Amino acid sequence: EDQVTQSPEALRLQEGESSSLNCSYTVSGLRGLFWYRQDPGKGPEFLFTLYSAGEEKEKERLKATLTKKESFLHITAPKPEDSATYLCAVQGGYNQGGKLIFGQGTELSVKP
Amino acid sequence: GAVVSQHPSWVICKSGTSVKIECRSLDFQATTMFWYRQFPKQSLMLMATSNEGSKATYEQGVEKDKFLINHASLTLSTLTVTSAHPEDSSFYICSARVGGPGQANYEQYFGPGTRLTVT
Repeated sequence: EDQVTQSPEALRLQEGESSSLNCSYTVSGLRGLFWYRQDPGKGPEFLFTLYSAGEEKEKERLKATLTKKESFLHITAPKPEDSATYLCAVQGGYNQGGKLIFGQGTELSVKP
Repeated sequence: GAVVSQHPSWVICKSGTSVKIECRSLDFQATTMFWYRQFPKQSLMLMATSNEGSKATYEQGVEKDKFLINHASLTLSTLTVTSAHPEDSSFYICSARVGGPGQANYEQYFGPGTRLTVT
C-alpha cells in the first residue's frame, strides 16, 4: 500500500536556525513527489515537484531533495514568515489517475 | 504558477439543505480536478477525482449520492453537498492538474478552500 510519513510532526526554530523536514514514502512506481506549504485556513501552495532520485530543486530559502525512499525539505536561515504546515505528497502507479497521497504534514514555527 | 479559485470561500447552511461549491482553473485548462476535505489539524483526504466529460471517481467510503460532482467544462468542476448535516462541516479544497493524463510530468495546484458549516 502506498504510504507517506512526515517527520517531525512539529518543529520550532529560531530565526536563522537552519533545519530539514523529512518525508519517507513507499509507493509502487513513483511518478512524482510534491511539496506544498499550507497556511491556516488556506489551500496548499505548490512549492516543488521532484520526479527522480538525485533531483534537487530550490526556491528562495527552501531546497528539496529526493532519494529512492525519502525526500528532504531543507530550510536555510528561516524567517518568521516561513511558519506554516509543510505537506509532502506522492503520486504513484500508472493507473492511479493522478491521485496524490499526502503525509500528515510538519508544522513549522519560526520565532524571531 | 497556475491559479485555481473556489467559490464561495465560506458558507453556512441549515441541516437538510444542499450547498454547491465551484472550482475554477483561471489560466489553464484542467481535464482532471480533485476534491479533498480537511479536518482541523489533519491532512487532506481525497474524496473524488473529477474528469471533464465523464463521471467522477469516488474514493472508498465517500457517498457519491451525497457528494455530487460535475465537471462540465475544462475550467469548472462543482461539488454539491446534498442534504447536508452537521458532520459534513469541514474545509473543502479542490485542485486542478496541469498536464494531461498521458504526460509524464505535471503539477497540481490547489484552490483556497471553502469552509462549510452546517447548523
